[in-house]
Formats: sequence, structure tokens, C-alpha cells
Amino acid sequence: DTEVTQTPKHLVMGMTNKKSLKCEQHMGHRAMYWYKQKAKKPPELMFVYSYEKLSINESVPSRFSPECPNSSLLNLHLHALQPEDSALYLCASSQDPTGLLFYGYTFGSGTRLTVV
Amino acid sequence: AQKITQTQPGMFVQEKEAVTLDCTYDTSDPSYGLFWYKQPSSGEMIFLIYQGSYDQQNATEGRYSLNFQKARKSANLVISASQLGDSAMYFCAMRNSGNTPLVFGKGTRLSVIA
Repeated sequence: DTEVTQTPKHLVMGMTNKKSLKCEQHMGHRAMYWYKQKAKKPPELMFVYSYEKLSINESVPSRFSPECPNSSLLNLHLHALQPEDSALYLCASSQDPTGLLFYGYTFGSGTRLTVV
Repeated sequence: AQKITQTQPGMFVQEKEAVTLDCTYDTSDPSYGLFWYKQPSSGEMIFLIYQGSYDQQNATEGRYSLNFQKARKSANLVISASQLGDSAMYFCAMRNSGNTPLVFGKGTRLSVIA
């Protein structure tokens, strides 16, 4: 299995809703990432989990809450979002988050989120 | 801090021709990795090619090759024999050593014309 699976693929939510995005990988990767990508822009890093612990939070508003229940699963809990949070949310994983070994990230196909 | 610059917002290429997508970078870390990703309209980021800062030879993967000029801090992607399916957004990205995440350039939109 060489995939990162993200669900759902599309999500429309109201500003008062609570929803979660899910990301799963079974490649034994020890780092997982959430990126946010607005239209015609590059992906921007939100969170990094390294060995199931949050290692980087890029000053993301608290209405986004990440969770890593185990080494294969990464969630992003959403609450009280704003319309400007509408974007493509990409999950990625990599084999080795540290050291001199560089591994490309494997990305999921993303969740297209629309906040209404 | 690392920085990636892609100066070509859009490029056009004739089918079966070669095209070069430019990427320059800046970092003070002597150990780093450079990556190119393709993003079709479907949204998925597809890994294309990797070049390490200590690699002596330019990386190649099928029709993709990376023109790595370390002194100029450039890592241009060359796509040979372009196909209609190559039309997509292309991102150059890099990582420094240690627990540093991948940072992306602004991207170049490639359009292949029949």
C-alpha cells in the first residue's frame, strides 16, 4: 500500500458546524502533515506530527484542531470555521522526519472544503 | 530559513517538445533536498523527482530530469517529449536537514498544446 487516503473528498459545512477530516497511511511513515492550499496558491504548512507527537504548529487558529490517534491515522477537527477557511486540505506523510535522510512526501488527494 | 522562487507563473509548450521550468532556492544549510511535484486539476500532489545537495549527478526519472546548478542555487525541471497529460501545476519544493518540513515555491502552470 503506497497511498495516503483522505476522506471525505468534498465537504460543505456551515460556520456553526463541527466536522472532521481524516487521513490514513499504511506505509509505516513516522511523520504526517496537514497543508492548506487556497486556489492558485502553493500549499501552506499547518501542522506536523513526528512519531505521533505534534512537533510543529504554524500558528494555526484554534478552530483547527489536529489529532494523531496512532501512527497510521491523522485527523483534523474543524469547529466554527469562517468562509475564508474554504480551501483544499492536503495530508501528507514521510518516512523519516529527522536527520540527513530526505524522503519525498506522499500526498493524499485532498479534501475540498467549502464553508458557507 | 529556506526560500524557493519560481518566476514563471505560466508556460506553454508544443506537444512532443521539451520544456524547462525554473526554480531557484536559498538556504544557509549545506544539507538539503530539492523536490518537484505535479498537481493536476484533481488536486493530488504527485512526486516527480528528488535531488540531494550532496548528489554529484543530476537526477533523472523517465522523461523528467533535474538541472542542478549548486553554485547558482538553481534546480530546474526539464520535461522531455511533452504530452497533453503533462498539463498541470508544477511546484518546486525543498527541505533542510533535521526536522524541517517541505516548503513550496509559488508554482508554474504548464499547458501542453497539441
